[in-house]
Amino acid sequence: DTEVTQTPKHLVMGMTNKKSLKCEQHMGHRAMYWYKQKAKKPPELMFVYSYEKLSINESVPSRFSPECPNSSLLNLHLHALQPEDSALYLCASSPRQGLDEKLFFGSGTQLSVL
Amino acid sequence: EDKVVQSPLSLVVHEGDTVTLNCSYEVTNFRSLLWYKQEKKAPTFLFMLTSSGIEKKSGRLSSILDKKELFSILNITATQTGDSAVYLCAVRAGGTSYGKLTFGQGTILTVHP
Repeated sequence: DTEVTQTPKHLVMGMTNKKSLKCEQHMGHRAMYWYKQKAKKPPELMFVYSYEKLSINESVPSRFSPECPNSSLLNLHLHALQPEDSALYLCASSPRQGLDEKLFFGSGTQLSVL
Repeated sequence: EDKVVQSPLSLVVHEGDTVTLNCSYEVTNFRSLLWYKQEKKAPTFLFMLTSSGIEKKSGRLSSILDKKELFSILNITATQTGDSAVYLCAVRAGGTSYGKLTFGQGTILTVHP
C-alpha cells in the first residue's frame, strides 16, 4: 500500500461548526504533515508530526487542532473557522522527518467555510 | 526568507511538443530540490535533485540542477495529453532539522491533442 488516504474529499461547514479531517497511511512512515493550499497557490506547511509527536507548528491559528492518535493516522480538528480558511487541505507522509525525505501526498480535502 | 519562482506560470502546447519548465530559488543553506506533478488534487513525486549537473531521468521526463546559478529545469519530451497538470518545484533548506519544503507557485501545463 503506497497511498495516503484522506477523508472526506469534500467538506462544507459553517463558521460555528466543529468538524475533523482524517488522514491515513500504511507505509510505515513515521512523519506526517498537514499542508494548506489555496486556489492557484502553492501548498503551505501547517504542522509536522514525527513519531506521533507534534514537531512543527507553523504559527497556525488555534482554530486548527492537529492530532496523531497512532503512527498511521493523522487528524485535523476544525472549530470556528473563517471563510478565508476555505482551501484544499493536503496530508503527506514520509519515512522519517528529515532533510532527505520525499513526501507522499494524499488527494486532499476540499474545504468550504460558509 | 526562502523564495522559489517558477516560469512560465502557464504553458499550452500540442501533443508531441517538447517543453522546458524552469525553477529558480533563493534559499539559505540549500539541501535539495524536488519536482512534483499535481493532477486534480494529489501532488505526485517526480524527482529529487541534490547534486549539480547530474541529470535525473524517468521515461520522457528529465531534470537537472545548477547549484551555481540557483535553478533547475524539468524537460518533458513528446508530450501527451496525460502530461497536463500543475508542475510544482519545491526546495528544501538544511538550516533546520526538519528541512522545510518551500514550494513555487507552479506551472500549469496544458497539452492539446
